Amino acid sequence: DAKTTQPNSMESNEEEPVHLPCNHSTISGTDYIHWYRQLPSQGPEYVIHGLTSNVNNRMASLAIAEDRKSSTLILHRATLRDAAVYYCILRFGNEKLTFGTGTRLTIIP
Amino acid sequence: GAVVSQHPSWVICKSGTSVKIECRSLDFQATTMFWYRQFPKQSLMLMATSNEGSKATYEQGVEKDKFLINHASLTLSTLTVTSAHPEDSSFYICSARDRTEKDGYTFGSGTRLTVV
Repeated sequence: DAKTTQPNSMESNEEEPVHLPCNHSTISGTDYIHWYRQLPSQGPEYVIHGLTSNVNNRMASLAIAEDRKSSTLILHRATLRDAAVYYCILRFGNEKLTFGTGTRLTIIP
Repeated sequence: GAVVSQHPSWVICKSGTSVKIECRSLDFQATTMFWYRQFPKQSLMLMATSNEGSKATYEQGVEKDKFLINHASLTLSTLTVTSAHPEDSSFYICSARDRTEKDGYTFGSGTRLTVV
């Protein structure tokens, strides 16, 4: 499985944008980039995914580098409810999701 | 959107007993479900892939005789922890994918198992 690398933790002030980076230098051409987040004592929640182009949805935006070796999850205006562990995962087809260690995001009021 | 219901949300059992955890896909059919385990302050570890009507596929190092998986219908998969011991205490999470949706996998809310 292609690996991803994320910072262990990040902090951001409430109501400010947050940029969560992910490196995936060994990504293959058919790997999708997925982001999930996990709030305390809950199962993970789908955030966004993409292949090559940048993607936007109601939760976040995903910026994918031109060479696809890195991506950035963007939360446009962080709230306290966005405090969670964010996982960047590469997925091929309908295969299983393999979780890395993720980034623990702390939002400062 | 797709919803996965997991039950119970928490359970305490005595050492040596068995515990069954249910995972149901609501309003969609799931031919494949996944079971994960998560220890405190650690990431999710995939235990097995549950396939409807066939045997589950277990990840390396996961004892198939201890963690029994049954996927008898397109909306229900069960995980039974047999002869549970304190080291089996963990957060167990299932997931499934609604193939009619373009988004990713949906996860259950998890089951916290405590073996005393």
